[in-house]
Amino acid sequence: NAGVTQTPKFRILKIGQSMTLQCTQDMNHNYMYWYRQDPGMGLKLIYYSVGAGITDKGEVPNGYNVSRSTTEDFPLRLELAAPSQTSVYFCASNPGTPKNIQYFGAGTRLSVL
Amino acid sequence: AQSVTQPDIHITVSEGASLELRCNYSYGATPYLFWYVQSPGQGLQLLLKYFSGDTLVQGIKGFEAEFKRSQSSFNLRKPSVHWSDAAEYFCASYTGFQKLVFGTGTRLLVSP
Repeated sequence: NAGVTQTPKFRILKIGQSMTLQCTQDMNHNYMYWYRQDPGMGLKLIYYSVGAGITDKGEVPNGYNVSRSTTEDFPLRLELAAPSQTSVYFCASNPGTPKNIQYFGAGTRLSVL
Repeated sequence: AQSVTQPDIHITVSEGASLELRCNYSYGATPYLFWYVQSPGQGLQLLLKYFSGDTLVQGIKGFEAEFKRSQSSFNLRKPSVHWSDAAEYFCASYTGFQKLVFGTGTRLLVSP
């Protein structure tokens, strides 16, 4: 019963490098989300998707890109890493109505130096 | 814009004492409200949710929360705290398209 799986768990990037944070869910949920968590700030929504092929910006999308080619996968791309992107990233999925509950992965801790 | 406020950054409670964590929301209609818990180095786990109906909702691990429309509040309570309850607690609300807005969190410390 895997749920939402994120890889890697930890990563250190140099400024200007790029990387993809992977997120996979095995619950056939339509909705998927990427959040970042910074100390004292709670979680902020980066991007979300309401189904395969459909994505939209959240509150803090700058510096990130996403794609959703399948129901299961929702990768988050950082093209030119900056120190401001040092954060913990969480992926979540949600089956939608009527349950309307978001299930979270364990997170990816990213440092940009 | 819709928002969720958790006024307490840190709270320290003695083991066995009761707990109340505060949450206030801003939304005109009946909101969908959630409490999540995050243990160190872990993801978020749902404690309980309120969508409609009975304003006192029961969750996992002995937690409950009460929705009070007149006070725009959804406070989390537990009658007797255990050392394992030490974690960060987040209140959240849906804003539309199943998107959550989170409070800034309350870190619970449990003293022996």
